[in-house]
Amino acid sequence: DGGITQSPKYLFRKEGQNVTLSCEQNLNHDAMYWYRQDPGQGLRLIYYSQIVNDFQKGDIAEGYSVSREKKESFPLTVTSAQKNPTAFYLCASSIEGTRGNEQFFGPGTRLTVL
Amino acid sequence: SQQGEEDPQALSIQEGENATMNCSYKTSINNLQWYRQNSGRGLVHLILIRSNEREKHSGRLRVTLDTSKKSSSLLITASRAADTASYFCATDSSGGYQKVTFGTGTKLQVIP
Repeated sequence: DGGITQSPKYLFRKEGQNVTLSCEQNLNHDAMYWYRQDPGQGLRLIYYSQIVNDFQKGDIAEGYSVSREKKESFPLTVTSAQKNPTAFYLCASSIEGTRGNEQFFGPGTRLTVL
Repeated sequence: SQQGEEDPQALSIQEGENATMNCSYKTSINNLQWYRQNSGRGLVHLILIRSNEREKHSGRLRVTLDTSKKSSSLLITASRAADTASYFCATDSSGGYQKVTFGTGTKLQVIP
């Protein structure tokens, strides 16, 4: 089955620690995205990548970093510089990064900072 | 601020009734999409309507777009308990890539 997976489903971290969220897709999509969702709010774009070895900051990139070394993988690192990291993180992909393409979402990772 | 704002924020209806959700946006768009999110899960794409379209149907879903009023509506007919979810509109903006902006969502509860 083709799809997009995220791991882990739940993640706990202590303040001051970096943590990496995994996102993998086998849809052969060029574009991948990371969003953050807070309770009662919509999705806010953290980073996106239109192609391997290239990525761009979204609206709330501060305190986050990404890499895109393989087409299938787009990991997100939440660094200690992110002041309020507790949130639900969603990864998505689309065939290409141009307008009008459906985004396919993973099941999400819920990060809690203790 | 969010490009898309859904209205109402929450909606509770009986099974079999129709559910209507509205989305308003601020700037010109090329496409508007509707997504569904079950609690604690990822989003699922429902339907896309282009700026030159006025109405689109998909099964029990009907989407309208009024670019002069910068608004869209999603109608779910003959609702089922399984339709209980949050529904988001997403609009794209100008630029070379698909910068999609999501609204805050409408939380729909369908009571059996």
